[in-house]
Amino acid sequence: DAGITQSPRHKVTETGTPVTLRCHQTENHRYMYWYRQDPGHGLRLIHYSYGVKDTDKGEVSDGYSVSRSKTEDFLLTLESATSSQTSVYFCAIRDSTQDEAFFGQGTRLTVV
Amino acid sequence: KQEVTQIPAALSVPEGENLVLNCSFTDSAIYNLQWFRQDPGKGLTSLLLIQSSQREQTSGRLNASLDKSSGRSTLYIAASQPGDSATYLCAVRPSTGTASKLTFGTGTRLQVTL
Repeated sequence: DAGITQSPRHKVTETGTPVTLRCHQTENHRYMYWYRQDPGHGLRLIHYSYGVKDTDKGEVSDGYSVSRSKTEDFLLTLESATSSQTSVYFCAIRDSTQDEAFFGQGTRLTVV
Repeated sequence: KQEVTQIPAALSVPEGENLVLNCSFTDSAIYNLQWFRQDPGKGLTSLLLIQSSQREQTSGRLNASLDKSSGRSTLYIAASQPGDSATYLCAVRPSTGTASKLTFGTGTRLQVTL
């Protein structure tokens, strides 16, 4: 699993509340990514990071923000959760030795 | 914009059959292509990584090929087993841009029956 841990694994939250998902890695990888996976859309990139305090937007970034204050942690925040953000969220790292991607186990988020 | 297509979307085969999953991409300027397996409710497991300079990669009963110029990759599974039942995803990494963001296909859901 390339030392990637996502927390929480499951969460139910109410519309309008802020939510933070955490991705923790133990192998000092520079690049980290947040994806969401939805039926019919596959995996879509939300935000990514290329170093501490260095982040950028992906293709579906509206309503999301990220922070990376330490190499090992990449946080995804839903500023005000909406039902359209009900999804499975995956964190990934890029192993720079071969440019291979490894994924965490995912967080299932339900916004009611 | 890169688009990745996987056909078929679903496939059911009897145990023991050899099978081929297809992945096509529209922009041949790729750095590498990666095949993943995803079990229901689980994360993605990396199966094979093919660099753009390679034609194929093998791991056990799995063989992945890459024809970059035609925008195609295939994943060959030999002597399929019920444990191979899962969704298989391919993803391409562009050859330009330092962030190297992956573009995914929507996957092929494979069922291997007894």
